[in-house]
Amino acid sequence: SQQGEEDPQALSIQEGENATMNCSYKTSINNLQWYRQNSGRGLVHLILIRSNEREKHSGRLRVTLDTSKKSSSLLITASRAADTASYFCASGNKAAGNKLTFGGGTRVLVKP
Amino acid sequence: GAGVSQSPSNKVTEKGKDVELRCDPISGHTALYWYRQSLGQGLEFLIYFQGNSAPDKSGLPSDRFSAERTGGSVSTLTIQRTQQEDSAVYLCASSLVASGSLNTGELFFGEGSRLTVL
Repeated sequence: SQQGEEDPQALSIQEGENATMNCSYKTSINNLQWYRQNSGRGLVHLILIRSNEREKHSGRLRVTLDTSKKSSSLLITASRAADTASYFCASGNKAAGNKLTFGGGTRVLVKP
Repeated sequence: GAGVSQSPSNKVTEKGKDVELRCDPISGHTALYWYRQSLGQGLEFLIYFQGNSAPDKSGLPSDRFSAERTGGSVSTLTIQRTQQEDSAVYLCASSLVASGSLNTGELFFGEGSRLTVL
C-alpha cells in the first residue's frame, strides 16, 4: 500500500458532531500535512505538523502525530455541512527526494 | 498570478492522440509537482521539479509521459499516444520550499485538467 493511508475511507456524521480520521505511513518523515478537496476542485492545504511535534491546532482542526506508531489523526470539531469534502494526508520524506506522497483520502459527509 | 493556473480545464481526445497540459505555478515558487487523480481515488505522484535540480521522474507510468519546466516557471506535461487508462484529472502544485525539508512546505494546487480519452 501507499505511503499515507487514511482510515476510514468514508465517514458520515451529523452537523455538530466531531469527525476523526486517521493516517498511517511507512517510512520516516520530516513532516505530515493534511489537505482538503471539495468535489471537482483542487486540494487546499489545512495544516502541517513537523516530525518533532505531537499536536497542532488550527481553528476547529486538531492534528496529532505519533512517530512511534507512524500515524496521524485529524479531528474536526463541531462539524458543519460545509466541511463535506475529501481529506488527504501527505507525508514529506527527505530520503525520497522531498516529494510529498498522498494517501487515498477519507470522504466526509456532514449531514445538516 | 494569484494562484496556480492549469490549462485546459477539460480535454477530450481520441485514443492515440498526443495531449499537452500546462501549468503556471505561483511566481517565485521553486518546486513544482504533477499528480494524477482517478475518479474517487487518491493522488498518484508523477513528477517533481525543484529549482535547477534534475527532476524526479520516478512516478511517470510509462515512456509515453514526459514533462518539462522551462525557465524554472511554466511546466508542460505531455502524454503521447493516449490510452483510455490515461483518463484522469491531472493536478499541478507548486511550493516555495521543498516539502520534505523541516521548513514550511505546503503545496498550492491548481484546479486540475480533466482528461478524457475516448
